[in-house]
Amino acid sequence: SQELEQSPQSLIVQEGKNLTINCTSSKTLYGLYWYKQKYGEGLIFLMMLQKGGEEKSHEKITAKLDEKKQQSSLHITASQPSHAGIYLCGALPSTGNTPLVFGKGTRLSVIA
Amino acid sequence: NAGVTQTPKFQVLKTGQSMTLQCAQDMNHEYMSWYRQDPGMGLRLIHYSVGAGITDQGEVPNGYNVSRSTTEDFPLRLLSAAPSQTSVYFCASSSRLGYTFGSGTRLTVV
Repeated sequence: SQELEQSPQSLIVQEGKNLTINCTSSKTLYGLYWYKQKYGEGLIFLMMLQKGGEEKSHEKITAKLDEKKQQSSLHITASQPSHAGIYLCGALPSTGNTPLVFGKGTRLSVIA
Repeated sequence: NAGVTQTPKFQVLKTGQSMTLQCAQDMNHEYMSWYRQDPGMGLRLIHYSVGAGITDQGEVPNGYNVSRSTTEDFPLRLLSAAPSQTSVYFCASSSRLGYTFGSGTRLTVV
């Protein structure tokens, strides 16, 4: 079965600093989703990547999928308190409509 | 608004009680799934369905039962609640275009 490892598990950054969260798989990723979750709330869809080398950006968040399709990174530029929360990566382990497999999440705190 | 609706949002059960968590979607998605989220564990798949009348087990199915009689609804039943089932439960529906999650049900078993 596919396992996703997220790193770091938790992160505390000063407001205005850049940060990167990684999501690594032992197998090929056929689709990689990034979600954000505010404490005690639901999942907010950020981005989905499918092709090797693909990169997408939305506001100050950029997500990349490596050429081998086994690792994805989420980069936040000039972090703000609104970026705080839990970031989850979810992967499609095969083609077609299959269940997402999730990493354990990265808890991000942004301090002034 | 189109999406996934979960009810209730909060529930407290006593050990041994049974209950059903409701999930409904209006996007005509064939695929639906249930996850539970525990601190530090991410989301773990409980059961999923690829269409009406078809269900299958995920990573942590014990203690839960599902059925899919219509495309729209995918209820999750707790047969005899245990404190280990205290968690936040998320329902999702999906198509080839992506996944949509409900807002979650926070369940506490005392």
